[in-house]
Amino acid sequence: DAGITQSPRHKVTETGTPVTLRCHQTENHRYMYWYRQDPGHGLRLIHYSYGVKDTDKGEVSDGYSVSRSKTEDFLLTLESATSSQTSVYFCAISAGLAAGEQYFGPGTRLTVT
Amino acid sequence: DQQVKQNSPSLSVQEGRISILNCDYTNSMFDYFLWYKKYPAEGPTFLISISSIKDKNEDGRFTVFLNKSAKHLSLHIVPSQPGDSAVYFCAARGAGNMLTFGGGTRLMVKP
Repeated sequence: DAGITQSPRHKVTETGTPVTLRCHQTENHRYMYWYRQDPGHGLRLIHYSYGVKDTDKGEVSDGYSVSRSKTEDFLLTLESATSSQTSVYFCAISAGLAAGEQYFGPGTRLTVT
Repeated sequence: DQQVKQNSPSLSVQEGRISILNCDYTNSMFDYFLWYKKYPAEGPTFLISISSIKDKNEDGRFTVFLNKSAKHLSLHIVPSQPGDSAVYFCAARGAGNMLTFGGGTRLMVKP
């Protein structure tokens, strides 16, 4: 299995509070991604990173920000959580354009009350 | 507008028979197609992929077929086993190594 961990694995928070999710990899892969999974929608890309300090928006980026100060860590921040951000969040990594495949972490279940 | 669709939310098959999962896409610029398998409370696991220049790729019990003219791909599992019961996602790669996922199909293999 690819060396990807996510923390926390579960979190319950209140509307309006800031939340940061962490993704950590030990594979030294260049690309990292944040997805959310909701019933009927599959996985949707929030933000991705193609190198340290290099990030870009995905399909559903509103309300989220990311940072990548080290190759191994990719942080997802909800500045002011809303109930619509209740979801399961997955981090993924990829070696590069030739590889195609992305490898996923175990996920973080976030509930915003 | 969903660029990748899995029109069957669920599929039930008998152990030992063939499972066929289908996926349709609209963007002709996708260059790579992938299938992922997901168990509850776990992250998706990469299963098999196919380049847009091929029409078939096989790996053990799993075969993926690509019909570019129809913008359709399918995953065949033969023979199906109870351990194959999971949610299967198809995904397509576009610009910047970004994947677009279908909504998933829940496969149930009955003993």
